[in-house]
Amino acid sequence: EPEVTQTPSHQVTQMGQEVILRCVPISNHLYFYWYRQILGQKVEFLVSFYNNEISEKSEIFDDQFSVERPDGSNFTLKIRSTKLEDSAMYFCASPTAPSADTQYFGPGTRLTVL
Amino acid sequence: DQQVKQNSPSLSVQEGRISILNCDYTNSMFDYFLWYKKYPAEGPTFLISISSIKDKNEDGRFTVFLNKSAKHLSLHIVPSQPGDSAVYFCAAFSGGTSYGKLTFGQGTILTVHP
Repeated sequence: EPEVTQTPSHQVTQMGQEVILRCVPISNHLYFYWYRQILGQKVEFLVSFYNNEISEKSEIFDDQFSVERPDGSNFTLKIRSTKLEDSAMYFCASPTAPSADTQYFGPGTRLTVL
Repeated sequence: DQQVKQNSPSLSVQEGRISILNCDYTNSMFDYFLWYKKYPAEGPTFLISISSIKDKNEDGRFTVFLNKSAKHLSLHIVPSQPGDSAVYFCAAFSGGTSYGKLTFGQGTILTVHP
């Protein structure tokens, strides 16, 4: 299976602090996605990113969230002022080809907000 | 908003027998369906997918069946092995309206007993 990598694997932060989660998707693809899973709940779509712009976002993805592709390969999700309810696993996903229908997921970052 | 539902929270099967995991959807715009396997604290691992133009897709021990009129899909694992024990998620998206935005079910915990 193609590899998507994410760092860090675990991030602990205080409420109100900013966090940046990083992803290196499968290379040379235009579509990238972020999802999250709160403990015990289903995986939820956050945002899709196509050709360096947000393509679609969910109602979860409010003004506290932003995504960037700072250097053409890495892909970041920033939460400006974390809340307790942001504690979750955050997954980056990438298709294998620009038009591929199958998304491969990274191992996730566990975010714990205290 | 439960557009994808997995009504069985858990399934227990004996090694060597068939495991059947079910999934229902309500959004008739969905035209691509995927099954993922997930272990705790890891990202979802892609298993198998099916397009709405087909009613069956097979890959080794895994077969996915799609019944569009009933808006139902199922994943068959034959024969089941203890290593198949994990949480299984079905997911769907609409290529026409929200390319790549996966909507997940709640998951089914599969336990395969030796």
